[in-house]
Amino acid sequence: EAQVTQNPRYLITVTGKKLTVTCSQNMNHEYMSWYRQDPGLGLRQIYYSMNVEVTDKGDVPEGYKVSRKEKRNFPLILESPSPNQTSLYFCASSPSRGRISYEQYFGPGTRLTVT
Amino acid sequence: GENVEQHPSTLSVQEGDSAVIKCTYSDSASNYFPWYKQELGKRPQLIIDIRSNVGEKKDQRIAVTLNKTAKHFSLHITETQPEDSAVYFCAAGGGGADGLTFGKGTHLIIQP
Repeated sequence: EAQVTQNPRYLITVTGKKLTVTCSQNMNHEYMSWYRQDPGLGLRQIYYSMNVEVTDKGDVPEGYKVSRKEKRNFPLILESPSPNQTSLYFCASSPSRGRISYEQYFGPGTRLTVT
Repeated sequence: GENVEQHPSTLSVQEGDSAVIKCTYSDSASNYFPWYKQELGKRPQLIIDIRSNVGEKKDQRIAVTLNKTAKHFSLHITETQPEDSAVYFCAAGGGGADGLTFGKGTHLIIQP
């Protein structure tokens, strides 16, 4: 089944404790992206990747890191989480290439709480 | 980069009536305009999309219209049903920014 998976689905952690949220897709998509969703603010892009070893900042990259060592995986890293990073996070992938955009397929989401 | 404005933020309609959600975009080079539906506690899912070489597209009760000159596009839902209650996001892509730029979403409430 074609899908985007994320782990964990729920996470409660404390300020400063490094964490990684994994994202994997099995559709051979080149484009992958991370979003955070907060009430009233919609989906805001954190980082995206157009291909392996190519990553770029989105609208809200501060406090986050990503890597794209393999085409299927795009982990999101919070080196020192803070309470303002409490949010719902979505990973997405797409067959988009360059300026040719296509549908983005979203993962199930990760609800992160930082205390 | 691209900027997408979406209105209204909340829309309440009676079951059976029509609902219209509007979006404007800033980058005239954008050429792909999808609409996503997000039910409570679930992921956003594509419901319809349109490219800039088409002015209107319809799929059963939903339709999207695009006005490239005015840089706005709209989602139309006819004969609304309770299962249409959700948050709807518009987006724009294919222009100067990579990927998609999303609007802030519209919470559609269907009143019985």
